[in-house]
Amino acid sequence: QKEVEQNSGPLSVPEGAIASLNCTYSDRGSQSFFWYRQYSGKSPELIMSIYSNGDKEDGRFTAQLNKASQYVSLLIRDSQPSDSATYLCAVQSSGSARQLTFGSGTQLTVLP
Amino acid sequence: NAGVTQTPKFRILKIGQSMTLQCTQDMNHNYMYWYRQDPGMGLKLIYYSVGAGITDKGEVPNGYNVSRSTTEDFPLRLELAAPSQTSVYFCASSRDSPLHFGNGTRLTVT
Repeated sequence: QKEVEQNSGPLSVPEGAIASLNCTYSDRGSQSFFWYRQYSGKSPELIMSIYSNGDKEDGRFTAQLNKASQYVSLLIRDSQPSDSATYLCAVQSSGSARQLTFGSGTQLTVLP
Repeated sequence: NAGVTQTPKFRILKIGQSMTLQCTQDMNHNYMYWYRQDPGMGLKLIYYSVGAGITDKGEVPNGYNVSRSTTEDFPLRLELAAPSQTSVYFCASSRDSPLHFGNGTRLTVT
């Protein structure tokens, strides 16, 4: 059973602070890793993808991957109230069907 | 280019009724997936397809069936609805990665 675990939250940060979201996964053969943002009542939308060890930055978002530790994280700098949402970590299996296994999500609230 | 389209958006079923959730995509993606999301939880894979005529079970397939007769369409069938199937259902498609999601179908079984 491939598992993806996220810190349970909820997480609250003040506006302008850095929000740190963490994720671990069990399938050592996983190659692709994604962070999705999901607003209440909406479908998940992709905000970051990362495929190799290290950091990947896109605007205020930084994804970090450590395959040896089977750990993925997402940092959101200068957090805004509009960042308030549930963040889902997703890991793509090493099989041929490319399906994603999702964590249960971390609910983030950015306080004005 | 509509992306992934799901119908209906909302549905209430009585226990034992059946229904089909429709999903169609216009991006010529080979891979299609059905996920369900229970309140406060992540997405669980129900069924997936790697191309027309090919389907396979995901993590939680019991109580559901699928077919993939064309590249565009991937309907999900509930034969005997049960309260445990109350959930939000998302269809998704991809060529390589990442997934493109539809807007979801909110299903209540009472």
